Amino acid sequence: SAVISQKPSRDICQRGTSLTIQCQVDSQVTMMFWYRQQPGQSLTLIATANQGSEATYESGFVIDKFPISRPNLTFSTLTVSNMSPEDSSIYLCSVTGLGAYNEQFFGPGTRLTVL
Amino acid sequence: AQRVTQPEKLLSVFKGAPVELKCNYSYSGSPELFWYVQYSRQRLQLLLRHISRESIKGFTADLNKGETSFHLKKPFAQEEDSAMYYCALLETNAGKSTFGDGTTLTVKP
Repeated sequence: SAVISQKPSRDICQRGTSLTIQCQVDSQVTMMFWYRQQPGQSLTLIATANQGSEATYESGFVIDKFPISRPNLTFSTLTVSNMSPEDSSIYLCSVTGLGAYNEQFFGPGTRLTVL
Repeated sequence: AQRVTQPEKLLSVFKGAPVELKCNYSYSGSPELFWYVQYSRQRLQLLLRHISRESIKGFTADLNKGETSFHLKKPFAQEEDSAMYYCALLETNAGKSTFGDGTTLTVKP
């Protein structure tokens, strides 16, 4: 199966700053997604990263807060802007199109702590 | 709107006992359902998918469209099964999945 990597693996940031998370896949994939996983809670889809066009955001998430780029079929970034402690979470990159049954593959996650 | 419900946040069984993790869904289309697992300090990964009707690590899950359920079962739980389990529904048109809240399974020795 493909390798999905994320950078950074973790970070501690100050309130009001921004952090950009990178997701790299070693194969071309059709669809890339960004999720948030808060401790002991489920995965919440933030947006679908579309190659060559603007990301599609889920209800409750906006581009100004979570700008996303997807310059090609193997790479995407998620920026968490103007951070507050409520943004402390694990951010996951996920892709489909690598398996036979539309299953999702996940990156290792980025653990973000905002002070 | 699509929805996935896992009613048990925590589930604890003894080694060798049967285990069933419940999952119910609501979806207007034809569902594609998956179970994902996250072991301690590992990334989330696919456990099994309904469409392939397989048994993975002794786990099976049958899609019951009448009851809109996709419960995960194993006849004899092992300590290494302790993990977080997520049920997921794929929206085939959009290509994205809706996840349940997850069930933390603990298998005690």
